[in-house]
Amino acid sequence: ETGVTQTPRHLVMGMTNKKSLKCEQHLGHNAMYWYKQSAKKPLELMFVYNFKEQTENNSVPSRFSPECPNSSHLFLHLHTLQPEDSALYLCASSQAGAGGRDTQYFGPGTRLTVL
Amino acid sequence: AQSVTQLDSHVSVSEGTPVLLRCNYSSSYSPSLFWYVQHPNKGLQLLLKYTSAATLVKGINGFEAEFKKSETSFHLTKPSAHMSDAAEYFCVVSDNDYKLSFGAGTTVTVRA
Repeated sequence: ETGVTQTPRHLVMGMTNKKSLKCEQHLGHNAMYWYKQSAKKPLELMFVYNFKEQTENNSVPSRFSPECPNSSHLFLHLHTLQPEDSALYLCASSQAGAGGRDTQYFGPGTRLTVL
Repeated sequence: AQSVTQLDSHVSVSEGTPVLLRCNYSSSYSPSLFWYVQHPNKGLQLLLKYTSAATLVKGINGFEAEFKKSETSFHLTKPSAHMSDAAEYFCVVSDNDYKLSFGAGTTVTVRA
C-alpha cells in the first residue's frame, strides 16, 4: 500500500510482559514517527526521529522506549504497560530532515490490547 | 500554535449525492493542510495536500478541497459519494516544522 509496514498487526499482552512493535519504510525517507490513536481522541504524536536521531519525545511515559537503528527501521519497545495504553499505534515516515512540511506516509498500525 | 476543528463528527450521505466535510484551522504561519482517510483496520492514506500553491486542491478518488484564508477553512468535497467512501476522515494542519495537528475526525457513512 503506502510503503510503510508494521508488525505485528495485532498484539495482546499482559501488564508484566515485554514486547516490541516494528516499523519499516521502503520509501527512502529520513524521518520516522510513532503515533498513538485512542478511541475518541485525536492522533497523538509520541516520538520523532530524523536521520536516526530522536528529535521529539512528546512527554511519553518511560514504559514506551523507541529505537531507530537506521533510517528505514523504527521500533517501539513496551514494558509494564497499563490497560489505558491499549490503542492503535501508527508509524509514519517522511522525507523531511531538519523539519518541513513534507507529507507523512502511514503504516497500517498495530492494534495493542493490554490486559 | 496550530490546531484543527472538524465541525462534524459524523456525516451520512446517500450513494451518488455530494459529500461535504468541514474543517477550520488555526495557525500562526502560512500552513500546510492535509486530508487523510482511514478505512476500518487500516492506516491513514493521504487524500490531498495544500502548500500555498493553488487554493483548490484535487486529490485522489474524486475528492477536492478549497483553501480559504479569510475563513480559515479547508473543506473537503466530493460530487458523488460511493459506498467505498465510508471511512473516517482527518483534517490536518502543519506550521513550519514536522509536527502535524490532527482534527478529531469525521466518520462518513454512505447509504445505498
